[in-house]
Amino acid sequence: RKEVEQDPGPFNVPEGATVAFNCTYSNSASQSFFWYRQDCRKEPKLLMSVYSSGNEDGRFTAQLNRASQYISLLIRDSKLSDSATYLCVVNTGFQKLVFGTGTRLLVSP
Amino acid sequence: GAVVSQHPSWVICKSGTSVKIECRSLDFQATTMFWYRQFPKQSLMLMATSNEGSKATYEQGVEKDKFLINHASLTLSTLTVTSAHPEDSSFYICSAWRENMNTEAFFGQGTRLTVV
Repeated sequence: RKEVEQDPGPFNVPEGATVAFNCTYSNSASQSFFWYRQDCRKEPKLLMSVYSSGNEDGRFTAQLNRASQYISLLIRDSKLSDSATYLCVVNTGFQKLVFGTGTRLLVSP
Repeated sequence: GAVVSQHPSWVICKSGTSVKIECRSLDFQATTMFWYRQFPKQSLMLMATSNEGSKATYEQGVEKDKFLINHASLTLSTLTVTSAHPEDSSFYICSAWRENMNTEAFFGQGTRLTVV
């Protein structure tokens, strides 16, 4: 079983749609959680950290369920510029990040 | 602007040669840096943890004699791919956590290595 699992997609959605991504992780001792965005042939960039209380940044909402070892990302009112690969990332300790394979999002006009 | 700079951004080399990749933290000191590798359509996989002033820690399955890591200063780590083979062709990327701000890892721009 992979340490961090994501549906690879692609998710094809029209502009304005709401789309949700899910992620599960296997290491219950994991310390912190993130969603990163990666554009083709580029480095990952932090989208947002994920907390148990849930957090929102504009059109993006992230949620963590430690009991279920489950992380989610919701994107509302999708824009063309949201097209990218979204990486679920877990800090397993000592700053070691474990990456999911990513979920590819394609937003079309 | 970038806080972690990686160079070169791409390189093509012949089989059997060595390639050095640099990773610099620009406005902070990093006692620890991390090297990842990403093959097409796969996730980033941690290769090794680079420790300033001491030996790097390699992940299982990564050959330390093939991927030489030097972290000689608090702002620079280098990864040298020795005797490169076509199967080493990949996207190599470094990261560092800003000291005392343990909430985000910053990534270099990545190096696309092609071995021909």
